[in-house]
Amino acid sequence: ETGVTQSPTHLIKTRGQQVTLRCSSQSGHNTVSWYQQALGQGPQFIFQYYREEENGRGNFPPRFSGLQFPNYSSELNVNALELDDSALYLCASSYLQGSHTEAFFGQGTRLTVV
Amino acid sequence: KQEVTQIPAALSVPEGENLVLNCSFTDSAIYNLQWFRQDPGKGLTSLLLIQSSQREQTSGRLNASLDKSSGRSTLYIAASQPGDSATYLCASRIDGGTSYGKLTFGQGTILTVHP
Repeated sequence: ETGVTQSPTHLIKTRGQQVTLRCSSQSGHNTVSWYQQALGQGPQFIFQYYREEENGRGNFPPRFSGLQFPNYSSELNVNALELDDSALYLCASSYLQGSHTEAFFGQGTRLTVV
Repeated sequence: KQEVTQIPAALSVPEGENLVLNCSFTDSAIYNLQWFRQDPGKGLTSLLLIQSSQREQTSGRLNASLDKSSGRSTLYIAASQPGDSATYLCASRIDGGTSYGKLTFGQGTILTVHP
């Protein structure tokens, strides 16, 4: 049990719609990261939030956006959904402290775009 | 740009065998390297974290090593069991830059341990 929870666990959306995924970080952690994992691939870094500010972004378009709240919960928003956005979306929680930083992942949200 | 490669892509072994999973990375300026386990359709479970200053970490039947100079890490699983069947992923955390804390993952090794 990692203490990181994501909701919902599964979601089906239509192309062009918007979606919001949620993550509740482990207590005491100040950083949350989001990853996209396509079938059969390793997770790809979307972005990271540290103390409510985005401090790193992967190769994803601006229609992928996020928020981190004072209680260290987080949202991932995706606008104008495309079929290729179908994937497992993973949230990771950590406390940044150099080489001791360890990431703990939630169970993921499976998004299907039809 | 950090690239992480895992070999083999898939591995099938009989129960009881000792096995080694390999992970290589192109940029040796890493903070740490983390090994994960992923069951089908599930999230990632952290197995071992090796800091950049360490050479190895052990947890139960698992042992992970790190050689920064050669850009390699290995995960050793002793006396494999059917319950070890899963996908194993390695990920490096880069040292600084605008994406501090970002994990770069390999594509994983799918392990099947048959009775």
